Amino acid sequence: LAKTTQPISMDSYEGQEVNITCSHNNIATNDYITWYQQFPSQGPRFIIQGYKTKVTNEVASLFIPADRKSSTLSLPRVSLSDTAVYYCLVVWNTGFQKLVFGTGTRLLVSP
Amino acid sequence: EPEVTQTPSHQVTQMGQEVILRCVPISNHLYFYWYRQILGQKVEFLVSFYNNEISEKSEIFDDQFSVERPDGSNFTLKIRSTKLEDSAMYFCASLNGTSKETQYFGPGTRLLVL
Repeated sequence: LAKTTQPISMDSYEGQEVNITCSHNNIATNDYITWYQQFPSQGPRFIIQGYKTKVTNEVASLFIPADRKSSTLSLPRVSLSDTAVYYCLVVWNTGFQKLVFGTGTRLLVSP
Repeated sequence: EPEVTQTPSHQVTQMGQEVILRCVPISNHLYFYWYRQILGQKVEFLVSFYNNEISEKSEIFDDQFSVERPDGSNFTLKIRSTKLEDSAMYFCASLNGTSKETQYFGPGTRLLVL
């Protein structure tokens, strides 16, 4: 399983765009990049998943360069409710293998 | 939107007691998981379950732990003789498995062992 590295914490203000970068230098051909969000005392919630280039959904965008050794989660116009821990994971193929969580990035959004 | 549910939301027990944590995965999902998160620490994998058997388990999942899918909807985690260090949030997750998908987590059960 590819190891991921992401900043321990980030601070932002309401209305700003937040970009959280994750490095995964030893990502394998069949691996996908998946991001989860976790609020205190809640289960991780799936945000977005991608393989290459750019993926966008109603919540976030995921940018993956051609070499796939890193990825950037972009949260447009964050609000206070986006304060959470964000996890970058590398997931094999169809995803039925165990998920390996790191410490994640603790995002604090202030007024 | 279908979701994974877990009961109870909170459980307090005495050391040495047995606890059963219950999960109802999303109905058409085929793969089931338990994870735990000790307060302030990472989410850790415990066990995965497919086709009525354990497909993988971690070092944490020792003989005190067992899982079962007693019927077509429930997925349970049993801890036979709880220890203080079993105090944690326990999350169930499920996965469709028939196409590229991701694991969906339940809200968790907070277990406190006194």
